[in-house]
Amino acid sequence: QVQLRESGPGLVRPSETLALTCSVSGGSLRSGTYYWGWIRQPPGKGLEYVGTIYYSGDTYLNPSLKSRLSISADKSRNQLSLRLTSVTAADTAIYFCARAVRSGSLFIDFWGPGTLVTVSS
Amino acid sequence: QSVLTQPPSVSAAPGQTVTISCSGNSSNIGANFVSWYQQLPGTAPKLLIYDYRQRPSGIPDRFSGSRSGTSATLAITGLQTGDEADYHCGTWDSSLRTAVFGGGTKLTVL
Repeated sequence: QVQLRESGPGLVRPSETLALTCSVSGGSLRSGTYYWGWIRQPPGKGLEYVGTIYYSGDTYLNPSLKSRLSISADKSRNQLSLRLTSVTAADTAIYFCARAVRSGSLFIDFWGPGTLVTVSS
Repeated sequence: QSVLTQPPSVSAAPGQTVTISCSGNSSNIGANFVSWYQQLPGTAPKLLIYDYRQRPSGIPDRFSGSRSGTSATLAITGLQTGDEADYHCGTWDSSLRTAVFGGGTKLTVL
């Protein structure tokens, strides 16, 4: 069974960089079957796709975040990372680590429990 | 403002059937498979339906999905109090080149 666990600071100051890590167990970032990435959910609102990475290193980032966003994978540690620069209050959200399937669309078949990140001074 | 449009809330009595709609356009629902997720309070979403109507292992057949044109529908039959949750639809948008979701629908079982 795939398990995903997010970690990182719960509070980030405006204009600084948000950095999160996701530890993956029960699955491998070396596998070409799945994509791995992040989905976020502002408090009380809907889901927003952040981005995904394939085992080849190719990334698929939300165009609205692309200029501030990077997603990387450490295959030796089986960990996924997210970095979002120049954050504002609009980046306050629960960030979910996710395993995605791309087949005629994209859907998330496994989710981490999520971690709340608040952007505030 | 979400790309896909869902009603904010729906309600029905236990044992009844409820449907939740998800409206998009020719670049998203009209062109790509739709998935549905159930999010119980305080938890992560859980995959209910993928590829319009496929259920992952362990999802009861009380949950079903369909698509017509640029809209998709989730139907839940034999409603139970444990079905109270937020339901989200999602798909890929070929024009925006990103995954998109609806704003979520809160289901209340009266």
